[in-house]
Amino acid sequence: AQRVTQPEKLLSVFKGAPVELKCNYSYSGSPELFWYVQYSRQRLQLLLRHISRESIKGFTADLNKGETSFHLKKPFAQEEDSAMYYCAPGRNTGKLIFGQGTTLQVKP
Amino acid sequence: EAEVAQSPRYKITEKSQAVAFWCDPISGHATLYWYRQILGQGPELLVQFQDESVVDDSQLPKDRFSAERLKGVDSTLKIQPAELGDSAMYLCASRTITGGLTEAFFGQGTRLTVV
Repeated sequence: AQRVTQPEKLLSVFKGAPVELKCNYSYSGSPELFWYVQYSRQRLQLLLRHISRESIKGFTADLNKGETSFHLKKPFAQEEDSAMYYCAPGRNTGKLIFGQGTTLQVKP
Repeated sequence: EAEVAQSPRYKITEKSQAVAFWCDPISGHATLYWYRQILGQGPELLVQFQDESVVDDSQLPKDRFSAERLKGVDSTLKIQPAELGDSAMYLCASRTITGGLTEAFFGQGTRLTVV
């Protein structure tokens, strides 16, 4: 069965501190991996996707197939990064599931 | 900028009543999803459409939930009868093609409260 685990419900850091939001997945085949974000009172939206190897708003995510992880990282957190973050593995059938989410709280 | 539209934004209904939600995806998006999000949890996939066909409804409680996308454009999700445990946010999302790198775009959701 496809499964995605985000072990931390809440991650609280001070502005300027490094951030790592963890995601582990259990998936047959090769999933496509995404991080979605939901800022307060806004729609759920794509943050980044693994295949693009891009950095968005200073965030990066590395796929580790051996550990089946796709952790989201940012070296210096900003207050505007406070939001709910969801790890989302997808399949080539288009099926897209979400983890339970991690609330990132960046304190001034 | 094109957006996924959902209505109503809020719905309060009594237990055992029927309730329906509507979603209009971004024009040209063949893939449409319905998710249920209970407070404090991640979105749970209920049903996935490719055009007018259901691709995945393995998590849809079919005894009370139904979904349709008759012309492969807009979609309706129905609950009959509603139960207290159905109180949640119902999200619709659409995507241009199945799979690949395409982004799924989300609507603002319908918040359902069953009393």
